[in-house]
Amino acid sequence: NAGVTQTPKFQVLKTGQSMTLQCAQDMNHNSMYWYRQDPGMGLRLIYYSASEGTTDKGEVPNGYNVSRLNKREFSLRLESAAPSQTSVYFCASSGPGTGDNEQFFGPGTRLTVL
Amino acid sequence: RKEVEQDPGPFNVPEGATVAFNCTYSNSASQSFFWYRQDCRKEPKLLMSVYSSGNEDGRFTAQLNRASQYISLLIRDSKLSDSATYLCVVNPYRISNFGNEKLTFGTGTRLTIIP
Repeated sequence: NAGVTQTPKFQVLKTGQSMTLQCAQDMNHNSMYWYRQDPGMGLRLIYYSASEGTTDKGEVPNGYNVSRLNKREFSLRLESAAPSQTSVYFCASSGPGTGDNEQFFGPGTRLTVL
Repeated sequence: RKEVEQDPGPFNVPEGATVAFNCTYSNSASQSFFWYRQDCRKEPKLLMSVYSSGNEDGRFTAQLNRASQYISLLIRDSKLSDSATYLCVVNPYRISNFGNEKLTFGTGTRLTIIP
């Protein structure tokens, strides 16, 4: 099992450009999440999807959109990137049967917006 | 006040020593608690859950004090491989069948084990 995979690993954008971060999991988990991690701020939840077909806002959703394409895939879109969105983005998943509903994280995408 | 507060460190500790981290949380209704480990430029990974009765996993011991709203992690006989950032994580809701959507992460405590 690959676990949680994310693409791309690194990305540099100019202000105003758009891009989509891709995430996929092969653990048959129901729930998937997008976080951003900034120095001194900890991980903050952007959006989550408790099950296929549903998405909900997290703590910092402004400037982002998400799509739960199917049970495996959950994408994050930046429509018009801003320098404040420079961050490391992590996708995670969890589901019934995982010990204590542990969240499993992907390797992250390092995004710089100039 | 932050929902989850940790001493950011860094803690620089000689190999073989015992080190302890504390974490406080503000929501008294919080239901479940975890320690995650994050290596430099890597993703977080679950280290251990924290139970009310306290729990131990090898050299690692986690304790929960609900009355004072703090969680601790004790590492005994520290190894070079323990160098990492340790994240205190709290779930304010009872774990549902669909997973824990509302985890709140502390900013982490950085630990460096010195040879």
